Amino acid sequence: SQQGEEDPQALSIQEGENATMNCSYKTSINNLQWYRQNSGRGLVHLILIRSNEREKHSGRLRVTLDTSKKSSSLLITASRAADTASYFCATANSNSGYALNFGKGTSLLVTP
Amino acid sequence: DTAVSQTPKYLVTQMGNDKSIKCEQNLGHDTMYWYKQDSKKFLKIMFSYNNKELIINETVPNRFSPKSPDKAHLNLHINSLELGDSAVYFCASSQEGEQKFFGPGTRLTVL
Repeated sequence: SQQGEEDPQALSIQEGENATMNCSYKTSINNLQWYRQNSGRGLVHLILIRSNEREKHSGRLRVTLDTSKKSSSLLITASRAADTASYFCATANSNSGYALNFGKGTSLLVTP
Repeated sequence: DTAVSQTPKYLVTQMGNDKSIKCEQNLGHDTMYWYKQDSKKFLKIMFSYNNKELIINETVPNRFSPKSPDKAHLNLHINSLELGDSAVYFCASSQEGEQKFFGPGTRLTVL
């Protein structure tokens, strides 16, 4: 079953601005992962945050995890037109063999 | 070298036909997966195999049968294709609990 929701469903910003996407989930997790998908392409892994971690950084990406609220956020700083893509959060749990349970995704458009 | 490869990239076929999609990973991972992405971009797990053994079989019609000849390959065979099977199918692999590496996807269109 679908794990959760991403918010917003669509986001349009200008280059240089920050983009924040939120994700909520319903069940217990071992980790939460964020993926990026360019139009017509496969998924690319961005960041994995474990259930005992609260924040993680990778380049211009910052991910937070609040297990008490069952939510996560992805912040992309100083966005570029090349960041235009769909972004998905996905949870993994050992009880289900760590298969990813995806949210509906946020479609990000960054205009020059 | 491509980490996770799928063939074919595009598959157009008639209702009622049987088709297969192949997946191979050269990362040495123990676990492989099939996901389905529908027209609204929603991704759902279909199957998970660990060392050639089926771990997860979500509520997928039994017309879909995965086969893992070895831990580097996970193929998906679909019998009696229906219109609703049209989607993009992604293969993925990972070590247990870690990030997934996805293939480029196979866009299946059933006419």
